[in-house]
Amino acid sequence: EEQLQGSGGGLVQSGGPLRLSCVGSGFTFSGSPMSWVRQAPGKELEWVSAISVTGGSTYYADSVKGRFAISRDNSRNTVYLQMSSLRAEDTALYFCAKGSRCGTYCFDLWGRGIRVAVSS
Amino acid sequence: DIQMTQSPSSLSASVGDRVTISCRASQDIRNFLGWYQQRPGNAPKSLIYAASILQSGVPSKFSGSGSGTDFTLTISSLQPEDFATYYCQQYHTYPPTFGQGTRLEIK
Repeated sequence: EEQLQGSGGGLVQSGGPLRLSCVGSGFTFSGSPMSWVRQAPGKELEWVSAISVTGGSTYYADSVKGRFAISRDNSRNTVYLQMSSLRAEDTALYFCAKGSRCGTYCFDLWGRGIRVAVSS
Repeated sequence: DIQMTQSPSSLSASVGDRVTISCRASQDIRNFLGWYQQRPGNAPKSLIYAASILQSGVPSKFSGSGSGTDFTLTISSLQPEDFATYYCQQYHTYPPTFGQGTRLEIK
């Protein structure tokens, strides 16, 4: 069964760092582009960042550019999101999502949300 | 960025009903559109991609149509597990963007 399992959330002070992890299983992780998508309380989904299959290309939403860094370790089937200079508006449920044959941003599998709360 | 607008924002229906949710893109996105279902407290689940193709394992009660700027998701014979929030998403133009969601509630 294909699965994505996220971890690493929590409560952090404004300006602080936090790292999220997401482990994939049941599919060829090294062949799958990966993204992070977040959902602020009561809000819609917002794409945050993506990484190519090799990790050689990374992409960011304007709202997190320069503060967040996505990376992956294909030997561990894991994608990471290193978040720094966190702001109150980064408070959200963060999901990792797998791109598919229909495109990098055509998601066919999502992990359970990781809760991030930033206190001001 | 391409704006995705769903209507209605919420919808009440009864078990056994057939409902339709609309999604409009601010620009032509051809058929680069997906639909997702999100139950409270759960991760989104992919239902449809390329506007009308069902993901593996998704029952045929779900169907999608449209191209260009106007799209619809139809759910027939509603069951209790179908009451959730539904999102459309375009992946034609970077960055990918989502609709605001349609909350489907039991009448």
